[in-house]
Amino acid sequence: AQSVTQLGSHVSVSEGALVLLRCNYSSSVPPYLFWYVQYPNQGLQLLLKYTSAATLVKGINGFEAEFKKSETSFHLTKPSAHMSDAAEYFCAVFDFGNEKLTFGTGTRLTIIP
Amino acid sequence: DSGVTQTPKHLITATGQRVTLRCSPRSGDLSVYWYQQSLDQGLQFLIQYYNGEERAKGNILERFSAQQFPDLHSELNLSSLELGDSALYFCASSAGPSYEQYFGPGTRLTVT
Repeated sequence: AQSVTQLGSHVSVSEGALVLLRCNYSSSVPPYLFWYVQYPNQGLQLLLKYTSAATLVKGINGFEAEFKKSETSFHLTKPSAHMSDAAEYFCAVFDFGNEKLTFGTGTRLTIIP
Repeated sequence: DSGVTQTPKHLITATGQRVTLRCSPRSGDLSVYWYQQSLDQGLQFLIQYYNGEERAKGNILERFSAQQFPDLHSELNLSSLELGDSALYFCASSAGPSYEQYFGPGTRLTVT
């Protein structure tokens, strides 16, 4: 079964610094991968998705992620952190076998002023 | 706003009771998913419906059941509630099983 591992349950970066949230996937077939963001007391919002097209995927709010098959990674980056980026971020992989979306355990991003 | 609506927003009930959570998918979406999010279990997939039919099952307890109606809205029924059922319950919808999912704002269930 497909799975994702998010390295680092908590990440802190200074405002204006690079944001890097790590996600590694396990999949026996070319995966569909997603990043979601959850702000406090809200539902999950889709940031971006990879569905076997371009390996560099651009999302909302200045985020992007690069699919690297050789490293089985799909890390999320943003060049310059903003205070409004403070949230929890979830990586997810679509399992074609049982047609379900499997989420990672999440990374809580804190922005230091 | 994702276009997915969930009611109620908050629900407080006692152990042993039964509650029903309601979800209306985005216009045109045929798939509905239910998730449970708690501090100790994280985000857990419960069940998926596609155009009225159950399509996939996850970690859904036997005390829980769901259905999707002809107008595509869905309900999640939780019975014989226990303290451990306190959690955020999310509904999501998508155009189909392999498409991106859009989440509703959730229902916060507190069992006392």
